[in-house]
Amino acid sequence: QSALTQPASVSGSPGQSITISCTGTSSDVGGYNYVSWYQQHPGKAPKLMLYDVTIRPSGVSSRFSGSKSGNTASLTISGLQAEDEADYYCSSYSGANTPHYVFGTGTRVTVL
Amino acid sequence: EVQLVESGGDLVQPGGSLRLSCEGSGLNFNTHYMTWVRQAPGKGLEWVANIKADGSDKNYADSVKGRFTISRDNARNSLYLQMNSLRVEDTAVYFCARELSWSGSDYWGQGTLVSVSS
Repeated sequence: QSALTQPASVSGSPGQSITISCTGTSSDVGGYNYVSWYQQHPGKAPKLMLYDVTIRPSGVSSRFSGSKSGNTASLTISGLQAEDEADYYCSSYSGANTPHYVFGTGTRVTVL
Repeated sequence: EVQLVESGGDLVQPGGSLRLSCEGSGLNFNTHYMTWVRQAPGKGLEWVANIKADGSDKNYADSVKGRFTISRDNARNSLYLQMNSLRVEDTAVYFCARELSWSGSDYWGQGTLVSVSS
């Protein structure tokens, strides 16, 4: 049950767009459209930002969008704002061996 | 207002046991999978276990299989995690969350801290 691979850090200036990648295998990201993304501010619980690759829960800004190609999923934040500075984690269903979730290694987003 | 409140975290010695609880309110607790996720100090998120709405399906991470047991009581809107044979590496904040049936978790509790140390 290996973690999905994310870049350790991504940064951008206010108003810019950034993209965070999430690389897995054909047993998880590549095999199912069950990729979700979470935002976590220090000391807080994670917040669901996207699920099923592209779907935004009610209340999540349209500046957050998702996509997937092969074994890699991506989260794009458009019009970067100061409050977007946080840790971001991807997650995927995995059908390898027994059903389970696997999380990404996490990406720290810094707004310059 | 939707709320999930975890409790039961404590300091315990290696080899010891602990039972975490999570009580939900304001959400359709008994129609959703529920899940436990943990986060070691300064580290990333790690999925621990989940349980189907009616309790008929339970899944575990390899790291806890055979030591942890997930259960639920829908009449009490409560989720549990029985943790046995605890190890130092089980030290983490444990979050409970409502699942969208393998699509992700939309509501989370604030977490409860489990520390395993001699």
